[in-house]
Amino acid sequence: QKEVEQNSGPLSVPEGAIASLNCTYSDRGSQSFFWYRQYSGKSPELIMFIYSNGDKEDGRFTAQLNKASQYVSLLIRDSQPSDSATYLCAVKGFGNEKLTFGTGTRLTIIP
Amino acid sequence: DTAVSQTPKYLVTQMGNDKSIKCEQNLGHDTMYWYKQDSKKFLKIMFSYNNKELIINETVPNRFSPKSPDKAHLNLHINSLELGDSAVYFCASSPTGVGGYTFGSGTRLTVV
Repeated sequence: QKEVEQNSGPLSVPEGAIASLNCTYSDRGSQSFFWYRQYSGKSPELIMFIYSNGDKEDGRFTAQLNKASQYVSLLIRDSQPSDSATYLCAVKGFGNEKLTFGTGTRLTIIP
Repeated sequence: DTAVSQTPKYLVTQMGNDKSIKCEQNLGHDTMYWYKQDSKKFLKIMFSYNNKELIINETVPNRFSPKSPDKAHLNLHINSLELGDSAVYFCASSPTGVGGYTFGSGTRLTVV
């Protein structure tokens, strides 16, 4: 079983709709959870992080964490063509500096 | 500009050669990392240094040797390059304990 799993996609969403990206992780001791966006040929950039169960909102982005189900998601409201990218889920364990990444979900926003 | 900077951005070299990639951060972070991103875009950690000390050393061939002269710099030297070493190598840094990483712009290594 992979440590961090994501559906590789591609996920196609019409412009203006909600894009929903999902991630599961295997280590129950994981403490913090991150979403990165990576445009083709560019480096990953941090969008959001979440530590506690529940929802965390930042502009058009909402991260959701359910530690009991070992599940993290990212919702993008009012999707824009500029949101088209690969989204990487990453997980950090307790007392461990290592970020373990999923394989990423490629998102395409259709105008 | 505050950032993580890597050089070179592109590196094309022949099998068997030795090459180095340099990384510097001016963010004041204590911890630096090297990640490898393969052709399927999977990011895998190679090494991590905290304040010049090696703290993470994943299963990486001995041909790869990191070096951290101070906490703002982490270089990667690769001996006897092989075709399978072709990938994008990312340097990153983070504050200790909390927060995510800030990545450099990457070095695309092509071994021919």
